[in-house]
Amino acid sequence: GENVEQHPSTLSVQEGDSAVIKCTYSDSASNYFPWYKQELGKRPQLIIDIRSNVGEKKDQRIAVTLNKTAKHFSLHITETQPEDSAVYFCAASKSGGSYIPTFGRGTSLIVHP
Amino acid sequence: NAGVTQTPKFQVLKTGQSMTLQCAQDMNHNSMYWYRQDPGMGLRLIYYSASEGTTDKGEVPNGYNVSRLNKREFSLRLESAAPSQTSVYFCASSPTSGYTDTQYFGPGTRLTVL
Repeated sequence: GENVEQHPSTLSVQEGDSAVIKCTYSDSASNYFPWYKQELGKRPQLIIDIRSNVGEKKDQRIAVTLNKTAKHFSLHITETQPEDSAVYFCAASKSGGSYIPTFGRGTSLIVHP
Repeated sequence: NAGVTQTPKFQVLKTGQSMTLQCAQDMNHNSMYWYRQDPGMGLRLIYYSASEGTTDKGEVPNGYNVSRLNKREFSLRLESAAPSQTSVYFCASSPTSGYTDTQYFGPGTRLTVL
């Protein structure tokens, strides 16, 4: 089955800095890569996703890049703000049959004012 | 439109007790899922239902059973709770079976087994 590795497990930055979280996956057939943000005590919510026919996608201060050859994808957050502090999860899945995502173990991002 | 709802929000059980966690979605989604979240372990899939009338095991199904009551509702049952089942449980749904798509999560149930 699919295996998703996520690094780092904890990331501490100063407000205004950039943050990068990286994930690798094992199944070359995976073609959908979402990122979820989970604030303390809340539910995970989708913040951005990318499909395998696209190399990069941006939405304001966040972006995701995908390297299919190397089987890794990354979340980039620019100009970080204290409200970006949360746990971020990456996931990978493939179409066909049931949609079963495999999640990374999460990255705790702390943005210091 | 409430999205995905879960009950209860909190529960404390004694070892050996049973309980059912309820989940409902009002988005007409085909697929529904139960996850558990433990510190440092991410989200681990317990069971899922690709469509009404079907259920399948996920990564960590032992000690749990599920029922897809209808398209809206998907319940998770612990027949004989154990301390190892202390966790936060999330129900989720996604629009389409057989296609990659976003997961919508419920607010979670925090379960403690003493």
